[in-house]
Amino acid sequence: KAGVTQTPRYLIKTRGQQVTLSCSPISGHRSVSWYQQTPGQGLQFLFEYFSETQRNKGNFPGRFSGRQFSNSRSEMNVSTLELGDSALYLCASSPDLANEKLFFGSGTQLSVL
Amino acid sequence: AQSVTQPDIHITVSEGASLELRCNYSYGATPYLFWYVQSPGQGLQLLLKYFSGDTLVQGIKGFEAEFKRSQSSFNLRKPSVHWSDAAEYFCAVGVVAGGFKTIFGAGTRLFVKA
Repeated sequence: KAGVTQTPRYLIKTRGQQVTLSCSPISGHRSVSWYQQTPGQGLQFLFEYFSETQRNKGNFPGRFSGRQFSNSRSEMNVSTLELGDSALYLCASSPDLANEKLFFGSGTQLSVL
Repeated sequence: AQSVTQPDIHITVSEGASLELRCNYSYGATPYLFWYVQSPGQGLQLLLKYFSGDTLVQGIKGFEAEFKRSQSSFNLRKPSVHWSDAAEYFCAVGVVAGGFKTIFGAGTRLFVKA
């Protein structure tokens, strides 16, 4: 079974631009979560989708948004990029409603210049 | 609000020595608790989890963790550290809120001395 796939692996953008990151979960997994990882901050929860519905959202500004498609693939979008958005963005999928175990992708490293 | 605290930003241990990584959580209900490991250049991998039952749980790679409700702690231990254990370790709590979300601590980076 293929793991969680995130594209692109690396991304460089400038302030004010927008970016879209993609995540393909493990086949059969219906829950997809997104996290922002920065040094010293750990993983900050962005949002979680299940069956195309956002079930949970973290404390991020409205510039951060996401969606999930009928095949469970998910995208997150960040508009009007700021320098502080530079981070590793991780996607995780899970098979269960209980979301008990997360399977992580390798992440997208976003640098905002 | 739910939160996870890992008080040690980094720890250095000699190879062969024992290891204990600390984790404290804040959550009003019975917690779902996890430890994940992130090795350099690799994604996060689940080491072990606690949902209920025996408070001492065994994980992969020889790790174990003990849930202590009275101390709101879930410390990770290993009796003998190997150089390959050098990585960043994250404690996490699973929260039922609408759906289910996992909240992570800031992580503890483990360095292993030869």
